[in-house]
Amino acid sequence: EMQLLESGGGLVQPGGSLRLSCAASGFTFRSYAITWVRQAPGKGLEWVSSISGSDVSTYYADSVKGRFTISRDNSKNTVFLQMNSLRAEDTAIYYCAKDIDQWQRFWAFDIWGQGTMITVSS
Amino acid sequence: EIVLTQSPGTLSLSPGERATLSCRASQSVSSSYLAWYQQRPGQAPRLLIYGASIRATGIPDRFSGSGSGTDFTLTISRLEPEDFAVYYCQQYGSSPRCSFGQGTKLEIK
Repeated sequence: EMQLLESGGGLVQPGGSLRLSCAASGFTFRSYAITWVRQAPGKGLEWVSSISGSDVSTYYADSVKGRFTISRDNSKNTVFLQMNSLRAEDTAIYYCAKDIDQWQRFWAFDIWGQGTMITVSS
Repeated sequence: EIVLTQSPGTLSLSPGERATLSCRASQSVSSSYLAWYQQRPGQAPRLLIYGASIRATGIPDRFSGSGSGTDFTLTISRLEPEDFAVYYCQQYGSSPRCSFGQGTKLEIK
């Protein structure tokens, strides 16, 4: 069974840093792009960042560019999201999700983790 | 910048009825890069449709997607109790690379 499991969430002060992890199982991890999507309390979905399977290509939403860094360790089947200079508006559930197609022909996400909550507050 | 606008914001229907949800893009979106998701309370989103009209694995055939260019539609032919949820469309493009619509809440009338 294909699964993703996020970890690393918690409470952090404004200006602080946090690193999220997304551990994968049940599929050929290195072949698939992974994306982070967040959802602020009571709000809709917001794309945050994506990384290709080969780690060659990374993409960021303007709202996090320069503050967040996505990376992956294919030997550990894990994707990371390093979040620096956190702001109150970064408070959200953060989901990682797998691309449905290893060649990213559709940029759709078929497997999602259960999410990890980040609260940025003093 | 491509903006996805979903309508209506809330749709009130009864089980057994037909639901039609709209997603309009501010610029043309390739049909390959338009997807629909369902999100029930307290759960992660679930992929329903990708490539504008391809049902994801395990999705019942009462769900169908259509459209091209700037206008896309998700249709649920006969609503089941478990279909009442929030639905999002999502696109891939150049700027931003990826984005979601604001969602349509499908509620029981």
